[in-house]
Amino acid sequence: EIVLTQSPGTLSLSPGERATLSCRPSQNISSTYLAWYQQKPGQAPRLLIYGASSRATGIPDRFSGSGSGTDFTLTISRLEPEDFADYYCQHYGSSPPWTFGQGTKVEIK
Amino acid sequence: QVQLVQSGAEVKKPGASVKVSCKASGYTFTSYYMHWVRQAPGQGLEWMATINPSGGGTDYVQKLQGRVTVTRDTSTSTVYMDLSSLRSEDTAVYYCARGSGRYYDFDYWGQGTLVTVSA
Repeated sequence: EIVLTQSPGTLSLSPGERATLSCRPSQNISSTYLAWYQQKPGQAPRLLIYGASSRATGIPDRFSGSGSGTDFTLTISRLEPEDFADYYCQHYGSSPPWTFGQGTKVEIK
Repeated sequence: QVQLVQSGAEVKKPGASVKVSCKASGYTFTSYYMHWVRQAPGQGLEWMATINPSGGGTDYVQKLQGRVTVTRDTSTSTVYMDLSSLRSEDTAVYYCARGSGRYYDFDYWGQGTLVTVSA
């Protein structure tokens, strides 16, 4: 089973700052199978990035994804008030077919 | 527009079963896999199961094998998730989510259904 380790657990930043979130799979994976989601309190997750670097429909261009192999990154170039939320990476693999990282909380400093 | 509308909150006793529904609209139901993901209070996301609405084929996470069953009704574009032998640790919000059919991501999500297991 591939384990996705996200860091940091919590990121304390101010609006306008840059956020860099990390997702590290325990084994080399194809970037095709790496996605990122945003979740706000009391809401369902929302797809941000698929295929490691492609923005989903309607996602602002301040969100970007990059990486390959065992090192993937979600970057929010300038934090807006609505971006303070939890973020999860997700991988499609074999057993179990889909796994999520434990999440990173982006909070207002 | 694509919508996934789930059934309402449930309170169950340990050992009971629960059935959560997810009604899809705004797209061709049989063309996209549907998934179930749960989230225990204050915890992260856990993938549980998937179903191919076209043929009905399913796949389940190993830890829930034998307790979870996902079915679909193509006449009403509805997917059902049945979880039996409920335990307190099954208390969670249960989400249905549509597989995008692209890169194995989930592009639309239901609003979530809170299932509380308590004596």
